[in-house]
Amino acid sequence: EPEVTQTPSHQVTQMGQEVILRCVPISNHLYFYWYRQILGQKVEFLVSFYNNEISEKSEIFDDQFSVERPDGSNFTLKIRSTKLEDSAMYFCASSPAVDTQYFGPGTRLTVL
Amino acid sequence: AQSVTQLGSHVSVSEGALVLLRCNYSSSVPPYLFWYVQYPNQGLQLLLKYTTGATLVKGINGFEAEFKKSETSFHLTKPSAHMSDAAEYFCAVTRSRYGQNFVFGPGTRLSVLP
Repeated sequence: EPEVTQTPSHQVTQMGQEVILRCVPISNHLYFYWYRQILGQKVEFLVSFYNNEISEKSEIFDDQFSVERPDGSNFTLKIRSTKLEDSAMYFCASSPAVDTQYFGPGTRLTVL
Repeated sequence: AQSVTQLGSHVSVSEGALVLLRCNYSSSVPPYLFWYVQYPNQGLQLLLKYTTGATLVKGINGFEAEFKKSETSFHLTKPSAHMSDAAEYFCAVTRSRYGQNFVFGPGTRLSVLP
């Protein structure tokens, strides 16, 4: 069964550094998403992406964040200058032109 | 705006007992409703969903949920808990259009006691 994959599984970085989190959505899906989950808290929506552009974003997704689909398979989330409060689990999800979103296993980002 | 509440951040049941995890939502449009399960240090796995049609939906691992529009609820149940059901459970809602972001509830941690 096809699934969403994410790399790396764990990323440790210094405050102020740039990080890129990578996701490979399910191949025939059209909609892509990033969510984050701060430890012990609920899953929060960051951004959705369709037809090579952002379709919706939350207030969390400020100028420090960007997304890109550099080729036909990868979907990336970049944080330009990480802050301590960016430490969280980041989930990528994808969906076909229907309702269900399929989530990847997540990348744990630790900002020191 | 949509929102989801889950009554009880932590629920404990004995093995073999009924599991009931509560979810209430608010939505200005017909909702699509989902339950996801998260095992420790893992991602989110879809348990079941309601989109249209039958209001009682069955999912994996013996779970089911019933959409009750009049009560704006989508409670998750399982007749007999198993130790392997111990996990965090999230209810989520989205508008009834594809490509819309999910709004998640705060989650309920289910513990199963031997």
